[in-house]
Amino acid sequence: QKEVEQNSGPLSVPEGAIASLNCTYSDRVSQSFFWYRQYSGKSPELIMSIYSNGDKEDGRFTAQLNKASQYVSLLIRDSQPSDSATYLCAVNNHRGNQGGKLIFGQGTELSVKP
Amino acid sequence: GAVVSQHPSRVICKSGTSVKIECRSLDFQATTMFWYRQFPKQSLMLMATSNEGSKATYEQGVEKDKFLINHASLTLSTLTVTSAHPEDSSFYICSAREVEGYEKLFFGSGTQLSVL
Repeated sequence: QKEVEQNSGPLSVPEGAIASLNCTYSDRVSQSFFWYRQYSGKSPELIMSIYSNGDKEDGRFTAQLNKASQYVSLLIRDSQPSDSATYLCAVNNHRGNQGGKLIFGQGTELSVKP
Repeated sequence: GAVVSQHPSRVICKSGTSVKIECRSLDFQATTMFWYRQFPKQSLMLMATSNEGSKATYEQGVEKDKFLINHASLTLSTLTVTSAHPEDSSFYICSAREVEGYEKLFFGSGTQLSVL
């Protein structure tokens, strides 16, 4: 079983729709969760971080975390063509600035059609 | 946000040569840097964790004698791919963690290595 799993996609949504990206992880002690966006040929950029159960909203993005189900998701409202990219879920089992390493899922390719 | 500079952005080399990639944190001190490798359509795979002033910690399956990592200062880590072969062709990305920051990582722009 992979440590962090995502559907590779591609996930295609029309412009203006809500895109829903999902991620599951295997290590129950994981405490920090991140969503990164990566455009082709570029390095990842951080979109959201979430550390406690529930929802966290930032603009058009909402991250959802359910530690009991070992599940984290990212919702993108009012999707735009510029949101088309690969979204990487990353998990860190250490909290704070000591130790830990990010483990990435394989990424979900999102395509927003005009 | 913090800036991590990675050079070169692209390198093409002949099989058997060695290639050095630099990763610098420009406006913060990074006690820990991470080196990732990414093949097309695949995720970032952690290769090693580099700690300033000590030996790097390599992930299982990564040859430490082939991928030499040096982290001599709080702002610079280097990855040297020794005796590169075509199968080493990949996108290499470094990331750095701030000394006093939360565990957010800041990524370099990546290096596309092509070995002929």
